[in-house]
Amino acid sequence: SQQGEEDPQALSIQEGENATMNCSYKTSINNLQWYRQNSGRGLVHLILIRSNEREKHSGRLRVTLDTSKKSSSLLITASRAADTASYFCAMINAGNNRKLIWGLGTSLAVNP
Amino acid sequence: ETGVTQTPRHLVMGMTNKKSLKCEQHLGHNAMYWYKQSAKKPLELMFVYSLEERVENNSVPSRFSPECPNSSHLFLHLHTLQPEDSALYLCASSQEGPAIGTEAFFGQGTRLTVV
Repeated sequence: SQQGEEDPQALSIQEGENATMNCSYKTSINNLQWYRQNSGRGLVHLILIRSNEREKHSGRLRVTLDTSKKSSSLLITASRAADTASYFCAMINAGNNRKLIWGLGTSLAVNP
Repeated sequence: ETGVTQTPRHLVMGMTNKKSLKCEQHLGHNAMYWYKQSAKKPLELMFVYSLEERVENNSVPSRFSPECPNSSHLFLHLHTLQPEDSALYLCASSQEGPAIGTEAFFGQGTRLTVV
C-alpha cells in the first residue's frame, strides 16, 4: 500500500500538554505536508516540509522529517482545547508519476 | 473560510436520484480536485483537473461524473448511487497541479447520504 501510516490513531491529552503525532511512509518523497480537520469539515493546511529540510516551525507547531527513516512527526506545544481535531500527513512521492499520498490520520482530543 | 466553497453542505438522496455537487474557488488556482472521505479509510482522490483539463481519474465508477466548465468551478454529477457511496466529499484547489506539491485548500465538504 502506498498510504502513509500515522500513529497513534487516537490521542487524548490535557490542555497545556504537548502532543506528538508520527507519520511513516514507504516511498521516496518530494515533500510532506500536515493538515488539520475539525469534525466533519474540510482540511486546513498547517505546514509543508521539503525532503531536504529536517525541521520546520510555525507558531506552536514543530515538524521534523527524517528521510532515512521515512518518517515525520508533528509536535503541538502547549495544547489548547481548540486543537482538538484530526491531523493528517500527506506526501508527494518523488519521481515522474507524482501523487499525493494520505495517511489515515490521528484523532487528537485536548481536554480542558 | 479558505476561499473554496462547496454546496450543498448536506445531501440525502435516493439511489435513483440525480444530483450535483458544486465547488467554487476564488483563489485563482489552476488545479481542482474531488476527494472522497469515508470513515477509517485514507482520503481517496477521485478526480484532478489542471487548467480545466482532467488529468487524473482514479478508477472512479461512472456513476460519478465530474465537470469543470472553467478554472473556478468544479461539479460532481451523481446518478444511481449506492449506499456505500455515502461519505464526505471534499473539493480542493491548489496553485499548481498535483505534481508540484503545493498546498491544497479545501472546501468544507458535502456530507452525502444515499438511502
